[in-house]
Amino acid sequence: AQSVTQPDIHITVSEGASLELRCNYSYGATPYLFWYVQSPGQGLQLLLKYFSGDTLVQGIKGFEAEFKRSQSSFNLRKPSVHWSDAAEYFCAVGGGTSYGKLTFGQGTILTVHP
Amino acid sequence: DAGVIQSPRHEVTEMGQEVTLRCKPISGHNSLFWYRQTMMRGLELLIYFNNNVPIDDSGMPEDRFSAKMPNASFSTLKIQPSEPRDSAVYFCASTPYGRSQETQYFGPGTRLLVL
Repeated sequence: AQSVTQPDIHITVSEGASLELRCNYSYGATPYLFWYVQSPGQGLQLLLKYFSGDTLVQGIKGFEAEFKRSQSSFNLRKPSVHWSDAAEYFCAVGGGTSYGKLTFGQGTILTVHP
Repeated sequence: DAGVIQSPRHEVTEMGQEVTLRCKPISGHNSLFWYRQTMMRGLELLIYFNNNVPIDDSGMPEDRFSAKMPNASFSTLKIQPSEPRDSAVYFCASTPYGRSQETQYFGPGTRLLVL
């Protein structure tokens, strides 16, 4: 069975600092990997996704993520965080013939201090 | 496009009452997913449909929960009877074809409170 682990429940950074959110997955074949962001009171929005090709993928709002097969990781990064990035971030894995079904991690809440 | 539409946005009801949540997927999308989000359990997949057919309902917590998709433009999630532990935010999401590399587009959610 596929699974996703986000080890950090809550991260606090200062505005302008760099950010890395961790994601580890378990999947028996080539995974499709996603990062979603959820602002308070909103639904989830896609930041970026990986399903083939270059292992470093660029997303919206200046985010990027790197797929490392050897480490079963897909960490999300941003070089300089803005106050508007405060939200909850979810990593997800999918694949195979699952009709687009995704398995989500527990989420990481990001707090940004001015 | 208007995106995924969910109604109502907020629902407060009393234990034992029937609750019906509604979802209109993005026009042309063939797969639809229902999720429940709580602080304790995170984001849980309840059921999903492809071409209006339920594919996997193993996430539905118990027989009190049922979901239908009578046509490509509409789905309902019903809880009867409702219980306080059903209080959560319920999300609907859709994808164009239900392929694994596709983005799921989420609605704004229905916040349910069962007293």
